[in-house]
Amino acid sequence: GAVVSQHPSRVICKSGTSVKIECRSLDFQATTMFWYRQFPKKSLMLMATSNEGSKATYEQGVEKDKFLINHASLTLSTLTVTSAHPEDSSFYICSALHDTQSGSYEQYFGPGTRLTVT
Amino acid sequence: SQKIEQNSEALNIQEGKTATLTCNYTNYSPAYLQWYRQDPGRGPVFLLLIRENEKEKRKERLKVTFDTTLKQSLFHITASQPADSATYLCALPYTGGFKTIFGAGTRLFVKA
Repeated sequence: GAVVSQHPSRVICKSGTSVKIECRSLDFQATTMFWYRQFPKKSLMLMATSNEGSKATYEQGVEKDKFLINHASLTLSTLTVTSAHPEDSSFYICSALHDTQSGSYEQYFGPGTRLTVT
Repeated sequence: SQKIEQNSEALNIQEGKTATLTCNYTNYSPAYLQWYRQDPGRGPVFLLLIRENEKEKRKERLKVTFDTTLKQSLFHITASQPADSATYLCALPYTGGFKTIFGAGTRLFVKA
């Protein structure tokens, strides 16, 4: 099956600093990747759609200047949390869209990144 | 708006029994539906996709049904094992796009 990696798996940073999270599709090309945020015992909340070679599309209520997304290649998307605050602490998960070539798409998820802002 | 409902209460079953999880949706007619497994502290793992013209789909010990009239999908794990303990998420594509809406998931505990 398709594999998506995410790095780092855990990161602790101080308030006011920025942290970058990488998402890579290892064995397929993905023109579309997604970034989610998940709170404990809650469902995944879509933050933005990352499109290769173009600007990301952000969901309502998500600050684009705070959560910078770059999708510079068909296998890599990055999420940068700028000027992090403790309330940004969460589990961030990326996914890459895989075209099944049969009229549907499958999402393959990365293992997630646990961000803790102190 | 599109909405997915999964039983928020955890499901506890004995090893060897069949686990059945339910996913209901409203205000929506999806072309397909997906089921994912998520372990604590990990990203979801894709399990099965069933299309609107398919009534049932099987993969090893997994079986999914899709009733577009009832707007419901059932997810079955037969001969359940403790290793099947996880949260199972139902997911549907947003209308007209690639985005996906996820249910909150149902936590399954299989006791040995």
